[in-house]
Amino acid sequence: QSALTQPASVSGSPGQSITISCTGTSSDIGNTKYVSWYQQHPGKAPKLMIYEVSNRPSGVSNRFSGSKSDNTASLTISGLQAEDEADYYCSSYTSSDTQVFGTGTKVTVL
Amino acid sequence: EVQLVESGGGLVQPGGSLKLSCAASGFTFSGSSIHWVRQASGKGLEWVGRIRTKANSYATTYAASVKGRFTISRDDSKNTAYLQMSSLRTEDTAVYFCIEWLLPWGQGTLVTVSS
Repeated sequence: QSALTQPASVSGSPGQSITISCTGTSSDIGNTKYVSWYQQHPGKAPKLMIYEVSNRPSGVSNRFSGSKSDNTASLTISGLQAEDEADYYCSSYTSSDTQVFGTGTKVTVL
Repeated sequence: EVQLVESGGGLVQPGGSLKLSCAASGFTFSGSSIHWVRQASGKGLEWVGRIRTKANSYATTYAASVKGRFTISRDDSKNTAYLQMSSLRTEDTAVYFCIEWLLPWGQGTLVTVSS
């Protein structure tokens, strides 16, 4: 199972919106609702930001939203803030009853 | 408070074995699938494997990179999951996390495979 494909980096200015893509196949993203997104600051453990494509856990800002179309999932951060600067990973359940993570995206706030 | 605390990491020689523990509290451990995820220094997240609940026959599944070398088990009476690692390779060097998919992650435990 190959890792899901994410852009290596995405940047934006404070207040802007950015979108991170996560491309898989019909054996993972395209065939499941179990797509999640994680935020990881340097030296910290990952934090769940989105689960089941578009659901936010309690305590996660509504500036974070998720969606999916065919084999690609997306994470949108609106009203970009300095604290959003971090690495972001997508993950998906697969038809082989395994999980797969994305390659990771570094978000830079200009 | 929900907690997952990993332990048992350390330095091991290539070809050696190590057993990690994952102590859970603050949620219904016996009703939760537990996954292991690892992250090499400066690298991305890699899913290692998962064990389901008793109701699902404690079914396990593994990433291709560790299948046949790693074994996940659990003791619901102790609210603890385990990752038995054998035939370790240098590329297994990473921080290992145990997670319940929707709950906060712990800090992980570092495994270093080196001679």
